[in-house]
Amino acid sequence: DADVTQTPRNRITKTGKRIMLECSQTKGHDRMYWYRQDPGLGLQLIYYSFDVKDINKGEISDGYSVSRQAQAKFSLSLESAIPNQTALYFCATQGRSQETQYFGPGTRLLVL
Amino acid sequence: GEDVEQSLFLSVREGDSSVINCTYTDSSSTYLYWYKQEPGAGLQLLTYIFSNMDMKQDQRLTVLLNKKDKHLSLRIADTQTGDSAIYFCASSRNNNDMRFGAGTRLTVKP
Repeated sequence: DADVTQTPRNRITKTGKRIMLECSQTKGHDRMYWYRQDPGLGLQLIYYSFDVKDINKGEISDGYSVSRQAQAKFSLSLESAIPNQTALYFCATQGRSQETQYFGPGTRLLVL
Repeated sequence: GEDVEQSLFLSVREGDSSVINCTYTDSSSTYLYWYKQEPGAGLQLLTYIFSNMDMKQDQRLTVLLNKKDKHLSLRIADTQTGDSAIYFCASSRNNNDMRFGAGTRLTVKP
């Protein structure tokens, strides 16, 4: 089983709809992250959480919100989706003393 | 300018060596990373180097770090068609605030 899972893997929605992307991990890591990937731009950090009670904005948090329901779960919400939020979204986790992040398989989102 | 820069495309022949280059701006970066992304998949950590090292070798992969010039490279020896992917350079300061380049798409031709 994968250590970091994301659901759904693909989603098509319409402008103005609220949607939620879920991330779960079995690695026991404290830190979790949400990124978006756009062609030619690499990954941009949306939000991150260092533990259940800690939520921080990243570079591009406008239009997004997150919820850390438990150590193993970190969800990303688009309150009112817009077309320029069409992108590939990645969740990542990191242990407190570890040097690197571990990524989920990604969620491909299309906003019409 | 961007925090981490890398060229967008590289094409090599099977069996040749590939060299992917990256520059970064944060002189306080403590870790430099190379990730590989295959089509439809997430990012997979290939290797990383601590900023007080200048070289790290792992089988076919060699990472070179020039801290003075803030330049990082990834050399893949004997490149295979399975190495075709997008390679991301990233930097972080004390395991926090990871910054990614835009990715280099490596195409390996038979």
